[in-house]
Amino acid sequence: DGGITQSPKYLFRKEGQNVTLSCEQNLNHDAMYWYRQDPGQGLRLIYYSQIVNDFQKGDIAEGYSVSREKKESFPLTVTSAQKNPTAFYLCASSIGGHRGWNEQFFGPGTRLTVL
Amino acid sequence: KQEVTQIPAALSVPEGENLVLNCSFTDSAIYNLQWFRQDPGKGLTSLLLIQSSQREQTSGRLNASLDKSSGRSTLYIAASQPGDSATYLCALKLTFGKGITLSVRP
Repeated sequence: DGGITQSPKYLFRKEGQNVTLSCEQNLNHDAMYWYRQDPGQGLRLIYYSQIVNDFQKGDIAEGYSVSREKKESFPLTVTSAQKNPTAFYLCASSIGGHRGWNEQFFGPGTRLTVL
Repeated sequence: KQEVTQIPAALSVPEGENLVLNCSFTDSAIYNLQWFRQDPGKGLTSLLLIQSSQREQTSGRLNASLDKSSGRSTLYIAASQPGDSATYLCALKLTFGKGITLSVRP
């Protein structure tokens, strides 16, 4: 089955710790995205990558970091610098790349809670 | 900067009603517009994608239209069912509306 997987489904972090959220896709998509969803806030873009070894900051990149070493993987690290990391994190992918912005497909999400 | 607005935030209708969900945007220079469904605690499921050159798209009981000149899109749901209860979001490029939470009463 083609799709996007995110792990873990639930993640608990102590204050001051860095944590990494996994996102993998087997759709052969060039572009991948990370969003954060808070109640009443909708989705906000953290980082996106249109091609391997390249990524761009979104609207709320502070306190987060990403890498894109492989086409199918786009891990997100939530660092201790992120002051309010408790949220639902969603990863998406699209054909994208240099062919423009296309239909996005989403993973099931990771719920991060800071203890 | 693109802004996407969905009003109202919540809607409750009786089963069988036809309904329209609205999405408005500020920048008409768009690539495409996408409608999603989200169930509680889940990821987003793509419902319809309207390319910027298109006026509408249909899938089953769903029909989405796009009017770039007025900065509006509508998602029409025919003969609503309790299983349609979810949050519906529209998105342009990387900007999402906050969604409309729909409840269909049996």
